[in-house]
Amino acid sequence: NAGVTQTPKFRVLKTGQSMTLLCAQDMNHEYMYWYRQDPGMGLRLIHYSVGEGTTAKGEVPDGYNVSRLKKQNFLLGLESAAPSQTSVYFCATRILSRTEAFFGQGTRLTVV
Amino acid sequence: GENVEQHPSTLSVQEGDSAVIKCTYSDSASNYFPWYKQELGKGPQLIIDIRSNVGEKKDQRIAVTLNKTAKHFSLHITETQPEDSAVYFCAATGFMNRDDKIIFGKGTRLHILP
Repeated sequence: NAGVTQTPKFRVLKTGQSMTLLCAQDMNHEYMYWYRQDPGMGLRLIHYSVGEGTTAKGEVPDGYNVSRLKKQNFLLGLESAAPSQTSVYFCATRILSRTEAFFGQGTRLTVV
Repeated sequence: GENVEQHPSTLSVQEGDSAVIKCTYSDSASNYFPWYKQELGKGPQLIIDIRSNVGEKKDQRIAVTLNKTAKHFSLHITETQPEDSAVYFCAATGFMNRDDKIIFGKGTRLHILP
């Protein structure tokens, strides 16, 4: 039982490159969230999903896209990376009937 | 949308003393207020939470209070220990609402001084 697994753990991108971050969960949770964490800014919600095939915008969605084609996976895409997207990205999941969210270990992304 | 303000951003207390972190929220529809602790290099983990129909909740050395009228909630850590040093986040959400985003405050870095 791995819980919430984020891939990759570290990545360096050049400005303009694209990439996809993968969040995989084995807990059968309905809700999945993508956050970015920046110094002094806390955890800001990028996009989230309340179930397979559904996604919604969070607080800072611009420059990101997401997909939830399978219940266990939530993908975060950067089509054209910018230095402002340098951050630590966290995925979280939650079951519908309970309140606790479970976080992955984070992905540290640097855009140069 | 929901906005969560958290204070202070940094807090230093002597080991054994108490620490208090305060948050305010804006959306009256929020009904669930969790607190998460983040240790270095790890993802946040839930340490305690409170629902809007409860005014106070305690779990050993940690407690959370909620003033729904004023939209304030606070985390209290008593008899602080070195392992309490971490970043703490408050959050607000509308649990069991269809659109229950979890919105976090900006975090408080707690230092426990020997």
